[in-house]
Amino acid sequence: DVKVTQSSRYLVKRTGEKVFLECVQDMDHENMFWYRQDPGLGLRLIYFSYDVKMKEKGDIPEGYSVSREKKERFSLILESASTNQTSMYLCASTGGGRASEAFFGQGTRLTVV
Amino acid sequence: RKEVEQDPGPFNVPEGATVAFNCTYSNSASQSFFWYRQDCRKEPKLLMSVYSSGNEDGRFTAQLNRASQYISLLIRDSKLSDSATYLCVPRGFQKLVFGTGTRLLVSP
Repeated sequence: DVKVTQSSRYLVKRTGEKVFLECVQDMDHENMFWYRQDPGLGLRLIYFSYDVKMKEKGDIPEGYSVSREKKERFSLILESASTNQTSMYLCASTGGGRASEAFFGQGTRLTVV
Repeated sequence: RKEVEQDPGPFNVPEGATVAFNCTYSNSASQSFFWYRQDCRKEPKLLMSVYSSGNEDGRFTAQLNRASQYISLLIRDSKLSDSATYLCVPRGFQKLVFGTGTRLLVSP
Protein backbone atom coordinates (compact mmCIF):
# COMPACT_ATOMS: atom_id res chain seq x y z
CA ASP A 1 0.00 0.00 0.00
CA VAL A 2 1.48 3.31 -1.07
CA LYS A 3 1.91 5.85 1.64
CA VAL A 4 2.47 9.50 2.27
CA THR A 5 2.73 10.19 5.97
CA GLN A 6 2.57 13.55 7.69
CA SER A 7 4.08 13.75 11.13
CA SER A 8 1.06 15.23 12.92
CA ARG A 9 -2.70 15.36 12.39
CA TYR A 10 -3.19 18.33 14.71
CA LEU A 11 -0.78 20.98 15.95
CA VAL A 12 -1.24 24.03 18.12
CA LYS A 13 1.61 26.54 18.14
CA ARG A 14 2.14 30.02 19.51
CA THR A 15 2.72 33.11 17.41
CA GLY A 16 6.42 33.53 16.67
CA GLU A 17 7.33 29.87 17.14
CA LYS A 18 9.32 28.02 14.51
CA VAL A 19 7.20 25.16 13.21
CA PHE A 20 8.29 22.07 11.32
CA LEU A 21 5.84 19.94 9.33
CA GLU A 22 7.29 16.67 8.11
CA CYS A 23 6.21 14.54 5.19
CA VAL A 24 7.57 11.12 4.26
CA GLN A 25 6.69 8.99 1.22
CA ASP A 26 7.63 5.38 0.57
CA MET A 27 7.08 5.29 -3.21
CA ASP A 28 10.49 6.58 -4.33
CA HIS A 29 8.73 9.56 -5.91
CA GLU A 30 10.75 12.37 -7.42
CA ASN A 31 8.25 15.15 -6.83
CA MET A 32 6.88 16.34 -3.52
CA PHE A 33 4.53 19.22 -2.78
CA TRP A 34 3.22 21.25 0.12
CA TYR A 35 -0.22 22.86 -0.05
CA ARG A 36 -2.41 24.73 2.34
CA GLN A 37 -6.17 24.48 2.14
CA ASP A 38 -8.56 27.10 3.41
CA PRO A 39 -12.36 27.31 3.00
CA GLY A 40 -13.30 28.80 -0.34
CA LEU A 41 -9.69 28.99 -1.53
CA GLY A 42 -8.99 25.38 -2.43
CA LEU A 43 -5.54 23.85 -2.42
CA ARG A 44 -2.84 26.48 -2.80
CA LEU A 45 0.69 25.42 -3.66
CA ILE A 46 3.33 26.67 -1.24
CA TYR A 47 6.50 24.93 -2.42
CA PHE A 48 7.44 21.87 -4.39
CA SER A 49 10.57 19.84 -4.99
CA TYR A 50 11.46 17.72 -8.01
CA ASP A 51 14.67 16.28 -6.63
CA VAL A 52 16.76 16.07 -3.50
CA LYS A 53 17.98 19.52 -2.42
CA MET A 54 15.91 21.13 -5.19
CA LYS A 55 12.98 23.39 -4.40
CA GLU A 56 10.68 25.68 -6.32
CA LYS A 57 8.30 28.35 -5.05
CA GLY A 58 4.64 27.75 -5.56
CA ASP A 59 1.94 30.40 -5.54
CA ILE A 60 2.13 31.42 -1.86
CA PRO A 61 5.68 30.85 -0.54
CA GLU A 62 5.86 33.93 1.71
CA GLY A 63 6.43 33.03 5.34
CA TYR A 64 7.47 29.45 4.52
CA SER A 65 10.61 27.57 3.64
CA VAL A 66 11.26 23.92 2.79
CA SER A 67 13.96 21.33 3.05
CA ARG A 68 14.55 18.15 1.08
CA GLU A 69 17.71 16.45 2.24
CA LYS A 70 16.53 12.94 1.39
CA LYS A 71 14.33 11.79 -1.47
CA GLU A 72 11.62 10.41 0.78
CA ARG A 73 11.29 13.40 3.11
CA PHE A 74 10.03 16.93 2.45
CA SER A 75 9.77 19.37 5.34
CA LEU A 76 7.80 22.58 5.51
CA ILE A 77 9.10 25.23 7.90
CA LEU A 78 7.26 28.20 9.28
CA GLU A 79 10.11 30.43 10.44
CA SER A 80 7.92 32.54 12.72
CA ALA A 81 4.36 31.31 12.88
CA SER A 82 1.57 33.83 12.57
CA THR A 83 -2.17 33.50 13.10
CA ASN A 84 -2.84 33.83 9.37
CA GLN A 85 -0.94 30.57 8.88
CA THR A 86 -3.65 28.68 10.72
CA SER A 87 -4.78 26.21 8.08
CA MET A 88 -4.89 22.63 6.87
CA TYR A 89 -1.54 21.62 5.36
CA LEU A 90 -1.39 18.80 2.84
CA CYS A 91 1.68 17.07 1.47
CA ALA A 92 1.61 15.18 -1.83
CA SER A 93 4.03 13.23 -3.97
CA THR A 94 4.13 12.06 -7.59
CA GLY A 95 6.42 10.06 -9.79
CA GLY A 96 8.43 11.72 -12.54
CA GLY A 97 6.13 11.10 -15.51
CA ARG A 98 3.37 13.50 -16.51
CA ALA A 99 0.88 10.68 -16.24
CA SER A 100 1.73 10.06 -12.64
CA GLU A 101 -1.08 10.70 -10.16
CA ALA A 102 -0.56 12.49 -6.87
CA PHE A 103 -0.82 10.75 -3.52
CA PHE A 104 -1.63 12.78 -0.45
CA GLY A 105 -0.82 12.61 3.21
CA GLN A 106 -3.68 12.78 5.69
CA GLY A 107 -3.15 16.47 6.36
CA THR A 108 -2.00 18.51 9.36
CA ARG A 109 -4.42 20.95 10.89
CA LEU A 110 -2.26 23.72 12.30
CA THR A 111 -3.64 26.31 14.68
CA VAL A 112 -1.48 29.30 15.57
CA VAL A 113 -2.62 31.13 18.69
CA ARG B 1 -6.24 34.07 -15.90
CA LYS B 2 -6.02 31.41 -13.20
CA GLU B 3 -4.16 28.24 -14.10
CA VAL B 4 -7.14 26.09 -13.23
CA GLU B 5 -10.72 27.29 -12.75
CA GLN B 6 -13.73 25.49 -11.38
CA ASP B 7 -17.20 26.59 -10.37
CA PRO B 8 -17.14 26.22 -6.56
CA GLY B 9 -20.86 25.34 -6.41
CA PRO B 10 -22.44 23.91 -4.40
CA PHE B 11 -24.38 21.85 -6.89
CA ASN B 12 -27.48 20.57 -5.11
CA VAL B 13 -29.02 17.57 -6.88
CA PRO B 14 -31.49 14.85 -5.91
CA GLU B 15 -30.52 11.20 -5.82
CA GLY B 16 -30.59 9.65 -9.26
CA ALA B 17 -29.84 12.90 -11.08
CA THR B 18 -27.13 13.43 -13.64
CA VAL B 19 -24.73 16.27 -12.92
CA ALA B 20 -21.73 17.66 -14.78
CA PHE B 21 -18.86 19.91 -13.73
CA ASN B 22 -16.36 21.72 -15.92
CA CYS B 23 -12.78 22.66 -15.28
CA THR B 24 -10.83 25.06 -17.49
CA TYR B 25 -7.04 25.19 -17.60
CA SER B 26 -4.62 27.72 -19.07
CA ASN B 27 -1.49 25.64 -19.72
CA SER B 28 -1.88 24.20 -23.21
CA ALA B 29 1.16 21.98 -22.58
CA SER B 30 -0.78 19.89 -20.06
CA GLN B 31 -0.55 16.25 -21.07
CA SER B 32 -2.75 14.45 -18.61
CA PHE B 33 -5.61 15.36 -16.36
CA PHE B 34 -6.99 14.05 -13.12
CA TRP B 35 -10.18 14.33 -11.15
CA TYR B 36 -9.88 13.95 -7.40
CA ARG B 37 -12.59 13.54 -4.83
CA GLN B 38 -12.25 15.12 -1.40
CA ASP B 39 -14.53 14.34 1.50
CA CYS B 40 -14.92 16.80 4.34
CA ARG B 41 -11.75 17.00 6.48
CA LYS B 42 -10.03 14.28 4.46
CA GLU B 43 -7.24 14.28 1.91
CA PRO B 44 -8.06 14.23 -1.83
CA LYS B 45 -8.15 10.83 -3.48
CA LEU B 46 -7.90 9.99 -7.16
CA LEU B 47 -11.21 9.47 -8.92
CA MET B 48 -10.24 9.36 -12.59
CA SER B 49 -7.37 9.97 -14.97
CA VAL B 50 -7.76 11.37 -18.49
CA TYR B 51 -4.95 11.01 -21.01
CA SER B 52 -6.70 11.31 -24.37
CA SER B 53 -10.20 12.46 -25.23
CA GLY B 54 -11.98 10.89 -22.29
CA ASN B 55 -12.44 8.11 -19.82
CA GLU B 56 -15.39 6.25 -18.35
CA ASP B 57 -15.63 4.32 -15.10
CA GLY B 58 -19.07 3.11 -14.17
CA ARG B 59 -21.28 6.11 -13.45
CA PHE B 60 -18.43 8.57 -13.99
CA THR B 61 -17.32 9.96 -17.35
CA ALA B 62 -14.54 12.46 -17.90
CA GLN B 63 -14.21 14.31 -21.20
CA LEU B 64 -11.30 16.37 -22.44
CA ASN B 65 -11.62 19.22 -24.91
CA ARG B 66 -8.11 20.34 -25.79
CA ALA B 67 -9.23 22.98 -28.27
CA SER B 68 -11.23 24.82 -25.62
CA GLN B 69 -8.93 23.75 -22.80
CA TYR B 70 -11.44 22.23 -20.44
CA ILE B 71 -12.20 18.89 -18.89
CA SER B 72 -15.58 17.83 -17.64
CA LEU B 73 -16.81 15.26 -15.16
CA LEU B 74 -20.24 13.70 -15.60
CA ILE B 75 -21.86 11.73 -12.81
CA ARG B 76 -24.91 9.67 -13.70
CA ASP B 77 -27.46 8.26 -11.24
CA SER B 78 -26.08 10.32 -8.33
CA LYS B 79 -25.83 8.62 -4.94
CA LEU B 80 -25.86 10.21 -1.51
CA SER B 81 -22.29 8.98 -1.13
CA ASP B 82 -21.22 11.10 -4.12
CA SER B 83 -21.53 14.20 -1.93
CA ALA B 84 -18.01 15.60 -1.83
CA THR B 85 -15.77 18.21 -3.41
CA TYR B 86 -14.36 17.36 -6.84
CA LEU B 87 -10.98 18.78 -7.75
CA CYS B 88 -9.40 18.81 -11.16
CA VAL B 89 -5.69 19.00 -11.88
CA PRO B 90 -3.97 19.23 -15.26
CA ARG B 91 -0.55 17.63 -15.23
CA GLY B 92 2.05 19.53 -17.21
CA PHE B 93 5.59 19.78 -16.03
CA GLN B 94 6.62 19.35 -12.43
CA LYS B 95 4.26 21.90 -10.90
CA LEU B 96 0.90 20.53 -9.79
CA VAL B 97 -1.86 23.11 -9.45
CA PHE B 98 -5.36 22.15 -8.39
CA GLY B 99 -8.61 23.90 -9.06
CA THR B 100 -10.53 25.21 -6.06
CA GLY B 101 -12.94 22.32 -6.38
CA THR B 102 -16.65 21.97 -7.04
CA ARG B 103 -18.83 20.97 -4.14
CA LEU B 104 -21.59 18.46 -4.83
CA LEU B 105 -24.47 17.82 -2.44
CA VAL B 106 -26.76 14.91 -3.26
CA SER B 107 -30.01 14.89 -1.32
CA PRO B 108 -32.58 12.10 -0.78
